[in-house]
Amino acid sequence: GNSVTQMEGPVTLSEEAFLTINCTYTATGYPSLFWYVQYPGEGLQLLLKATKADDKGSNKGFEATYRKETTSFHLEKGSVQVSDSAVYFCASILTGGGNKLTFGTGTQLKVEL
Amino acid sequence: GAVVSQHPSWVICKSGTSVKIECRSLDFQATTMFWYRQFPKQSLMLMATSNEGSKATYEQGVEKDKFLINHASLTLSTLTVTSAHPEDSSFYICSAFSGGVSRDTQYFGPGTRLTVL
Repeated sequence: GNSVTQMEGPVTLSEEAFLTINCTYTATGYPSLFWYVQYPGEGLQLLLKATKADDKGSNKGFEATYRKETTSFHLEKGSVQVSDSAVYFCASILTGGGNKLTFGTGTQLKVEL
Repeated sequence: GAVVSQHPSWVICKSGTSVKIECRSLDFQATTMFWYRQFPKQSLMLMATSNEGSKATYEQGVEKDKFLINHASLTLSTLTVTSAHPEDSSFYICSAFSGGVSRDTQYFGPGTRLTVL
């Protein structure tokens, strides 16, 4: 089956610290991979995505690289800001899988001054 | 582009009443929409897949008579929570899948907070 595992939170960092949120996937094929962000009280926003091995998705200083050999899609940011405080969801979708997203459990990030 | 709206953003109702939530794709046609439910500090739980012009496909354990879904046009899907009870209180989020250029990407609405008294 299709599944996504991401690191447990909450993650608390100081402003300007380096961020890594781990995400690994299992799939019977080659999924597209996504990071979504959810700010308090809001829906999900697409942060970045990658559709094939070695693709790097990037947006707003966040990056993630699709690593087929380690089945991973870790989210990184070099210098976090207080405004990055949110819940981050890793997700995958298999072509032909009914277009259903499989979500990780979410990782809460809190950035402090 | 790729904006999805939901209405209302929050609703409070009495137990036993029905509540309708609308999900609209504002600048694209959505062949498929999804409805999710999210409990506090938890991930999203897929409830059903809504395809324009056909019956919704419900996930296992979701009561289709309780959660009525209608996808009457390429820009609108509705979720009606019938005879709502306090345990139906939750955050409901829809997403729309266009099947166009970004054909593997779902765009999410801002969510609807339902509180049943």
